[in-house]
Amino acid sequence: KQEVTQIPAALSVPEGENLVLNCSFTDSAIYNLQWFRQDPGKGLTSLLLIQSSQREQTSGRLNASLDKSSGRSTLYIAASQPGDSATYLCAVKAGTYKYIFGTGTRLKVLA
Amino acid sequence: EAGVTQFPSHSVIEKGQTVTLRCDPISGHDNLYWYRRVMGKEIKFLLHFVKESKQDESGMPNNRFLAERTGGTYSTLKVQPAELEDSGVYFCASSRPGGSGNEQFFGPGTRLTVL
Repeated sequence: KQEVTQIPAALSVPEGENLVLNCSFTDSAIYNLQWFRQDPGKGLTSLLLIQSSQREQTSGRLNASLDKSSGRSTLYIAASQPGDSATYLCAVKAGTYKYIFGTGTRLKVLA
Repeated sequence: EAGVTQFPSHSVIEKGQTVTLRCDPISGHDNLYWYRRVMGKEIKFLLHFVKESKQDESGMPNNRFLAERTGGTYSTLKVQPAELEDSGVYFCASSRPGGSGNEQFFGPGTRLTVL
């Protein structure tokens, strides 16, 4: 059974810091992995989608890597800003069409 | 292109009442999914439609939940009768036909509160 874990559960950093969010999954047979952002009371915003054949994806200040063999993905945020404060969710698609989500990392960037 | 839309955005009902949530997927997306997040837990899969057919409903919690997608367009999720533990945020997502590597696009969710 696929399980997705995100560490840390919460993170508070000063503005300008580079930071790394971690996601691990137990079954390496995945189709893709997607990182989302969720603001309080809002829906899910897709940040980056990494297909199983890819090692990383980049968008602006965000970089996501995927290591299937070790069951890990990291989301790197460069030069963090207060507007980056949100919950970041990792989800893997494994075996069927459904996503398995982690519990998320709550990020707070202090001005 | 319009995104996935959900209605209502919020619903507050009393235990025992019925609520129907609606999801309109992105036009042309054959695949439609329902997920939910209950307080303190991760987002969990409920079911998957391909056009009007239920492909996987393994995540539906019990028979108080009924999902339909008549005509393969919008979908409804009915909870009858609602219980306190049904409170949470219900998300709908859609994806293009074809490969399982396709990205799922999520709607803003419906926040359901059962009192």
